[in-house]
Amino acid sequence: DQQVKQNSPSLSVQEGRISILNCDYTNSMFDYFLWYKKYPAEGPTFLISISSIKDKNEDGRFTVFLNKSAKHLSLHIVPSQPGDSAVYFCAAVLKTSGGGADGLTFGKGTHLIIQP
Amino acid sequence: NAGVTQTPKFRVLKTGQSMTLLCAQDMNHEYMYWYRQDPGMGLRLIHYSVGEGTTAKGEVPDGYNVSRLKKQNFLLGLESAAPSQTSVYFCASSPRGYGYTFGSGTRLTVV
Repeated sequence: DQQVKQNSPSLSVQEGRISILNCDYTNSMFDYFLWYKKYPAEGPTFLISISSIKDKNEDGRFTVFLNKSAKHLSLHIVPSQPGDSAVYFCAAVLKTSGGGADGLTFGKGTHLIIQP
Repeated sequence: NAGVTQTPKFRVLKTGQSMTLLCAQDMNHEYMYWYRQDPGMGLRLIHYSVGEGTTAKGEVPDGYNVSRLKKQNFLLGLESAAPSQTSVYFCASSPRGYGYTFGSGTRLTVV
């Protein structure tokens, strides 16, 4: 059973518009969430994160929103740029993991395509 | 600054052959991880290490062994490769916390 779900395998957005990527989780013991971006033939790179004690975290064009009651988080990219075309992974850390020591649980990823 | 370096980048093995994937990090990170990525499956944790001389099993450890004899290196071994182990393998490291740095991956094909 998948504990972190990204139900949209792909998303197409026009350049300059807002991209919204969604992630749902089932385990209430997750207390820290991260988004990674991955280009083909490269490793994932960290984008932004949020602790469960917050409901929003912003970094430039990227904002992550967390709704604990719905077990849902979303990544907003505004405005979307061609370089944002990549696969985005949502990942979660268990509260009991000792600061992330025992690894991240990843979703399957969403392929974001920014159209000119 | 190299970060996390994985060798080799590509490899083709025959069923039953063995090989070792090497991960090296130059950031003095305590924690190191091996993940595999399969189409439509996201990244799944194989094994990890929270310090030199320690290893632990992740979500999909069967068919793999690991060793961390030096803090900067984390080795992933396949004793008898199977076609089901065809995948892209990613190594990652982090200091105590959530700041993972990933390598660029090793694409392994088992025929």
